[in-house]
Amino acid sequence: SQTIHQWPATLVQPVGSPLSLECTVEGTSNPNLYWYRQAAGRGLQLLFYSVGIGQISSEVPQNLSASRPQDRQFILSSKKLLLSDSGFYLCAWAQGYEQYFGPGTRLTVT
Amino acid sequence: GQQLNQSPQSMFIQEGEDVSMNCTSSSIFNTWLWYKQDPGEGPVLLIALYKAGELTSNGRLTAQFGITRKDSFLNISASIPSDVGIYFCAGPDYNQGGKLIFGQGTELSVKP
Repeated sequence: SQTIHQWPATLVQPVGSPLSLECTVEGTSNPNLYWYRQAAGRGLQLLFYSVGIGQISSEVPQNLSASRPQDRQFILSSKKLLLSDSGFYLCAWAQGYEQYFGPGTRLTVT
Repeated sequence: GQQLNQSPQSMFIQEGEDVSMNCTSSSIFNTWLWYKQDPGEGPVLLIALYKAGELTSNGRLTAQFGITRKDSFLNISASIPSDVGIYFCAGPDYNQGGKLIFGQGTELSVKP
């Protein structure tokens, strides 16, 4: 069966510091992968998606970037965090239209 | 672009009551997905619907794909405290490669 992992689970970072969040999927190959952010409240904002290694599409221009160095690994990065980057970051993989989410990373920028 | 509107935005009910929520769109969808998000966790897929008029159950949950293809409904029977959370509907945006569009969620609170 497929599983999706995200780490870290929580992170507190100062403004201006770099960021790296990792997502890995097990039990499937060449999945579509997605990064979402969920701010306080509830909306899910799609940040990036990838249909294969090295293929990244950005949905929202911002100071975040994503990379997919391996088939089942998806990384979200920033060189300098802003206060507005705080939120709950969710990674998901897709089987057809069905998306399956990881446990999330709670990021607080101070 | 396509949008999904969920109602109600929040519900406060007594344990044991039935719950009904819906999701509507001005555009046609050929797939409807219902997710539940527990506090501090990622959303979990509850039910997927692929055919207009389809009625699918998952335990105490029942979801229906509206016949017009512009709406979907989720019902929870005999609610229990662990039903607390945010329920999202979602559907693929065919104009954008099938990426999912999510509704804004219905937050359910259950009073024991």
